[in-house]
Amino acid sequence: QVQLQESGPGLVKPSETLSLTCSVSGGSVTDFFWSWIRQPPGKGLEWIAYVASGGRTIYGPSLKSRVTISLDASKNQFSLRLDSVTAADTAVYYCARTLYIGSLDTWGQGAVVIVSS
Amino acid sequence: DIVMTQSPLSLPVTPGEPASISCRSSQSVLHSDGNNYLDWYLQKPGQSPHLLIYFGSNRASGVPDRFTGSGSGTDFTLKISKVEAEDVGVYYCMQALQTPYTFGQGTKLEIK
Repeated sequence: QVQLQESGPGLVKPSETLSLTCSVSGGSVTDFFWSWIRQPPGKGLEWIAYVASGGRTIYGPSLKSRVTISLDASKNQFSLRLDSVTAADTAVYYCARTLYIGSLDTWGQGAVVIVSS
Repeated sequence: DIVMTQSPLSLPVTPGEPASISCRSSQSVLHSDGNNYLDWYLQKPGQSPHLLIYFGSNRASGVPDRFTGSGSGTDFTLKISKVEAEDVGVYYCMQALQTPYTFGQGTKLEIK
């Protein structure tokens, strides 16, 4: 059974870079796609991007200019980098396995990231 | 982007009674392969979301058969035949036909 676990700093200063890693166990990141989704406090879900093995990436337009997603098959993990953060980037960030049909069938527990000085 | 609109946004239900949630997309999510790229997710309080339904009507592994998804094109419905206490949470529809994948606003189901 595949499991995902997000890790990274819970507090980031405005204008700095948010970096998160999702470690995958029970499965290989060379299979399927791997997404990041976020949820601001008290709000709904926003899909950010996904990465496939070989490095192919698809980004949502709202964060495309500031986000980079990458995959490290040797460590069986994938990462999110969000530049120039503001308070509006405060959210729970989830990683999720993404089936070829697009469905997000397995989610991590979520990482709370607060942007504050 | 495809805009997803859910109704109602709040749904109080008596245990044992049925419940129904509507999801509409701003454009059809029916693919040329014949499948509707429409998922339903449930986010229980304090938890991550999990997949309930894919392709509009296919239950994900382990999902009880009291959950039924239906619809095609732009109009979809999630029905719970008899609501149980463990069904409380926020239900989201999501289209996976094209990126960016987009979610509905969420429907909060609560027990009366």
